[in-house]
Order: sequence, then structure tokens, then C-alpha cells
Amino acid sequence: NAGVTQTPKFRVLKTGQSMTLLCAQDMNHEYMYWYRQDPGMGLRLIHYSVGEGTTAKGEVPDGYNVSRLKKQNFLLGLESAAPSQTSVYFCASSPHRQGPSPLGNSPLHFGNGTRLTVT
Amino acid sequence: KNEVEQSPQNLTAQEGEFITINCSYSVGISALHWLQQHPGGGIVSLFMLSSGKKKHGRLIATINIQEKHSSLHITASHPRDSAVYICATSDKLIFGTGTRLQVFP
Repeated sequence: NAGVTQTPKFRVLKTGQSMTLLCAQDMNHEYMYWYRQDPGMGLRLIHYSVGEGTTAKGEVPDGYNVSRLKKQNFLLGLESAAPSQTSVYFCASSPHRQGPSPLGNSPLHFGNGTRLTVT
Repeated sequence: KNEVEQSPQNLTAQEGEFITINCSYSVGISALHWLQQHPGGGIVSLFMLSSGKKKHGRLIATINIQEKHSSLHITASHPRDSAVYICATSDKLIFGTGTRLQVFP
């Protein structure tokens, strides 16, 4: 049981290059999230998914695209990287949604992060 | 003003000291998360609580939903507790900027 696995761990891109970050979870969680973490700021939600085949925008979605073709995988794409996208990216998953629900609130499980530098 | 604020931003302690980290929020929530981010960067969930108090080992989390305030306490702190501690509201997943704790032997 690996939990949430992110690949790659590190990446350096030149401005304008593209790349895809992969998040995989083996806990059969419905909800998956992509965050970015920047110095002096809290984690900010980029995109999230409430189930296979569905995605939604978060707080800072511009410049990113996502896909959830399989329940266990959530991909984050940068089509044309910019220096402003230099950040540490975290993927997270939860069994059901955050906030009040018949099942109660839901703990978050995080990956180990991907450090991306765009030069 | 941030919707979730933590204090202090940085905290140093001697091994064995009692630690308190505070989290205040301005939005209505049904629960609050406390997370620990290790020096290597990984984030683990410590607590999720909606009322009262929860305890796990030397860690204690309390919350007062009416006052919109939560605290994380560490008893008998140890150098391995050195990390960044982050609170986050459950409903909208708004994260605080974290409290960096360093515990020295």
C-alpha cells in the first residue's frame, strides 16, 4: 500500500517547455487534488477531481490542465511553462469530499511533492 | 487579512518544552485539519477535528468552533518534532502558511 505517489520528484524546465506530473493513489479514493506551495503562502488549490472523468478548477488554475482518465491517477499538465510556475507541487487524495457530508469530514493523504524549477 | 492565520510563524524550543501553535480562521467550517510537513517536504495528516480535543501520543489538538480557533500542543517536545505545522479548514480547504518549529537538544 504505497498511498499517494508523485512523479517526478524534481524537474527543471525551460520557459515554454511542457511537462506532465503524475499522481497515483492506491486507496480507491474518489477525490484528488493538485496544490502548489510557494514561500510565505499556504498551499493553494490548482485543480481537483471528484471522481473518474471529472475535474474542476481551484483557486489558481491558469496555465495548468488536468485529467482523471482512471480513478487512481490524476495528471497535472503544464503546456507552456513560465518562471511563475516555479513551485513545489503536491498531490493529495481523500475518500470523499471535504466539509459536511453523511460520511463526515475526510482526512487528506498527500504525496511527497514535486519540486519544479522553470528557468 | 488571510482567512486562516497561524501563530507564531517560527518557534524554537528546547527539548522537553511544552509547545503551543495557534490557528485562527474567519470562515465557517465543520472541521479543521492539522498537518505536519517534514524537513524533507512530505506532508502528513495529524488530526482532523470538529469539536473538543483529540490526542495522539504527545500531540493534542483542540478546537473551539464558536471562537474560530484551534491549538496544537506538543508535550515533552523532541528534536524529531522539528517540522512545519499547518492548519487547514476542512470545508474550503484553505491552508495557513504554517508554523516552523525547531526543537534543539
